[in-house]
Amino acid sequence: QVNLLQSGAALVKPGASVKLSCKASGYTFTDYYIHWVKQSHGKSLEWIGYINPNSGYTNYNEKFKSKATLTVDKSTNTAYMELSRLTSEDSATYYCTRGDTYYYYFDYWGQGVMVTVSS
Amino acid sequence: DTVLTQSPALAVSPGERVTISCRASESVSTGMHWYQQKPGQQPKLLIYGASNLESGVPARFSGSGSGTDFTLTIDPVEADDTATYFCQQSWNDPFTFGSGTKLEIK
Repeated sequence: QVNLLQSGAALVKPGASVKLSCKASGYTFTDYYIHWVKQSHGKSLEWIGYINPNSGYTNYNEKFKSKATLTVDKSTNTAYMELSRLTSEDSATYYCTRGDTYYYYFDYWGQGVMVTVSS
Repeated sequence: DTVLTQSPALAVSPGERVTISCRASESVSTGMHWYQQKPGQQPKLLIYGASNLESGVPARFSGSGSGTDFTLTIDPVEADDTATYFCQQSWNDPFTFGSGTKLEIK
């Protein structure tokens, strides 16, 4: 069965960076895009961007272009998102999701990882 | 960006029919999808392409609409449907979500 397993919660200091991981299993990793979604506490969802694991092509929401960097390691079926220059506004739960390549809906989601930015 | 507007909350009794609406600020064709999120859990896909039922989702859930106006219908509602429901569009870049409709089962 399809599974996206995300790394554990992170507590990071303002100004630092954090790299989140998302290990995919149960399907051919290169057949689907991996998207990342932000959910601030108790609020709605924001699409950060996606990466094509086959080519490495990325597409970012303009809002997150200078904040997030998406990469993959095909040898381990793992996607990564690095968030840089963290502020309190970046404190949120981050999900990786598997994205359909035609309709671009998200059919499988990781369990989410909470990032807390605090000194 | 395409803004998706949802009503914030609804309360219905078990066995009733409920419709949750989502209005887009510009056309998204049929690039509209619906998710259910229960507290402490990740969102779950219910409907994709405006009206296609995701595999494994009960037939009580259905979706309709195109262009700017979309509806998620649950008929009949069950107690387990208590959750927040989000719409998401993938027609325009960047992809965007609605603010969610919190459904309470009385």
